[in-house]
Amino acid sequence: GAVVSQHPSWVICKSGTSVKIECRSLDFQATTMFWYRQFPKQSLMLMATSNEGSKATYEQGVEKDKFLINHASLTLSTLTVTSAHPEDSSFYICSAISGRGNEQFFGPGTRLTVL
Amino acid sequence: RKEVEQDPGPFNVPEGATVAFNCTYSNSASQSFFWYRQDCRKEPKLLMSVYSSGNEDGRFTAQLNRASQYISLLIRDSKLSDSATYLCVVRSGGYQKVTFGTGTKLQVIP
Repeated sequence: GAVVSQHPSWVICKSGTSVKIECRSLDFQATTMFWYRQFPKQSLMLMATSNEGSKATYEQGVEKDKFLINHASLTLSTLTVTSAHPEDSSFYICSAISGRGNEQFFGPGTRLTVL
Repeated sequence: RKEVEQDPGPFNVPEGATVAFNCTYSNSASQSFFWYRQDCRKEPKLLMSVYSSGNEDGRFTAQLNRASQYISLLIRDSKLSDSATYLCVVRSGGYQKVTFGTGTKLQVIP
């Protein structure tokens, strides 16, 4: 099946620094990718929809200036958490939908811990 | 009311038991429905899509009731490896609106 990768798989950073997370579709092109955040014992919450070649669409309550999304190619979307704070510590997961079907493939997730 | 609601559980069942989960959704215009499985600290993985006519995949059966706006997942002959959180996913408005339930935790006990 289709594969989506994320890098890094985990990251620990100091408060105030920026962290970039990459999401790649490895064997298919994805014009649209999604970024989710999951806090412990909670469901996945959609943060934004990343569209190749255009601006991302952010969900209500998600600060676009804090969570910068770039979808520069059909196989790569990046999420940059700027000026990270401890409350940004979470599990960030990206996903993409293969054009061949209806299935949404998820990356393995990135666990961010902000000290 | 939440868009997608699930009983968080946990459901603790013995091996071999049959267990069923329900998931209700509020948007009557919802178009596609899925069950995903998520293991601890891992990403969700598609278990099965849910079709209007109901569908079965081995020990797993999914049903959709549009009139009452809920979907269900039935697991027969539970295995220890079925222990996980099961997420109900509802899609509406094409790919742009995907909503996850909070998940139902299943623990199969030896």
